[in-house]
This record gives sequence, structure tokens and C-alpha cells, in this order.
Amino acid sequence: LAKTTQPISMDSYEGQEVNITCSHNNIATNDYITWYQQFPSQGPRFIIQGYKTKVTNEVASLFIPADRKSSTLSLPRVSLSDTAVYYCLVGVYGGATNKLIFGTGTLLAVQP
Amino acid sequence: DTGVSQNPRHKITKRGQNVTFRCDPISEHNRLYWYRQTLGQGPEFLTYFQNEAQLEKSRLLSDRFSAERPKGSFSTLEIQRTEQGDSAMYLCASSWTAEAFFGQGTRLTVV
Repeated sequence: LAKTTQPISMDSYEGQEVNITCSHNNIATNDYITWYQQFPSQGPRFIIQGYKTKVTNEVASLFIPADRKSSTLSLPRVSLSDTAVYYCLVGVYGGATNKLIFGTGTLLAVQP
Repeated sequence: DTGVSQNPRHKITKRGQNVTFRCDPISEHNRLYWYRQTLGQGPEFLTYFQNEAQLEKSRLLSDRFSAERPKGSFSTLEIQRTEQGDSAMYLCASSWTAEAFFGQGTRLTVV
């Protein structure tokens, strides 16, 4: 499984756009990129998943360059409630081995 | 259906005792995962079921840990002869598609 590297922490202010980048140099052809969010004392929550180019949903966008060796989670106009740990995961979706492997994640702190 | 349910939410046990946790996944989900999480770390994969078959088990899981998923429905995770190092949050997740849904976890404290 491809290893991921993310910044340990990031700071932002309310209303700003936040971009969290994840490196996954050894990503395999069949691997998808998935992001989860986790609040203290809760289980992780799925945010978004993509394979290439750009994916957008109601909460975030995911940008994946052509070489797929990195990806960027974009959170538009963050609020205090977006303070959480964000995890980038890389793995095969639907395959025989599709366990989710979490790294240490990025702690995003949003200030007023 | 209210999501993935884990019981108990908290468990305090003495070192050397056995504990068992239960996970009730979302009903139509065929995949079920167990994770362990300690403070400041991401969830650590323990084991994975597809229906009733345990397809993968982490080498980090010692012989004291066992998980079952009879009939492909709920799952149990048992820890025998608990040690202080087993203190952690134990998370269960289930999925049908790419999105995995996590429960709120069982916090185990071994004293």
C-alpha cells in the first residue's frame, strides 16, 4: 500500500480557504485517494474520494495532478467547526485488500 | 438505521482480565473493519471482514486478540489477558461502497 505524507498541523482563520496537500509518491495504478475527517472522541468521517483530476462535493474539493503523486484537499470558507484531524488514504477500492490505512493526519486549527 | 453502533462506549478493566466489544454495522454493509487508536495517532488497522470471512488480520494483532463476525452481521472483538498497553479507543467501521462509516468507538482503559 502506498505511504502518504501530510503536514502535521495547519492553522487558519474563519472564512479562509484551506488546502491540505498529501504526498503519495508510490501510488499504484489501481489506487484511489480518499480523505477522512475526525473530531475528538469520534470515529473518522468520509469526506471525499477521487482517482484523477478534480472531484467536488458539498463539503470539499479534491485536486489530483496528472502524475497522481500528490493530492490536495480544499475546504472552502472554513469555520470553527472544521477544526479536526484530516487523513489522506491511498488504496484500492473494491479490491480483495481494501483495508483503510491511516497515517497520523493533519490537525487543522481554525481560529476566529 | 442509525449508523454503526459500538458497545460498550467505555470499559475499564483490570490487567489480566478478558474483554469483549461488540459492533453492529449498517445492515446492508458487507465489509467490516476494526481499528485501534491511541492519543495523537491515526487509527491503526486490526482486521477486516467481508461478510463472515475474515480476510485480513494485522500482524500487530497478537494472539490475545480475536475477532468474529458470525453470519456476516454483527462482530465481536475479544482481548484476552489485557495489558496496560491495550488501553486505547477501539473503532469499528462498515462499508458497502468506497465510503466507510465509523462507529463512535469503545474506549478501553486497563488498570
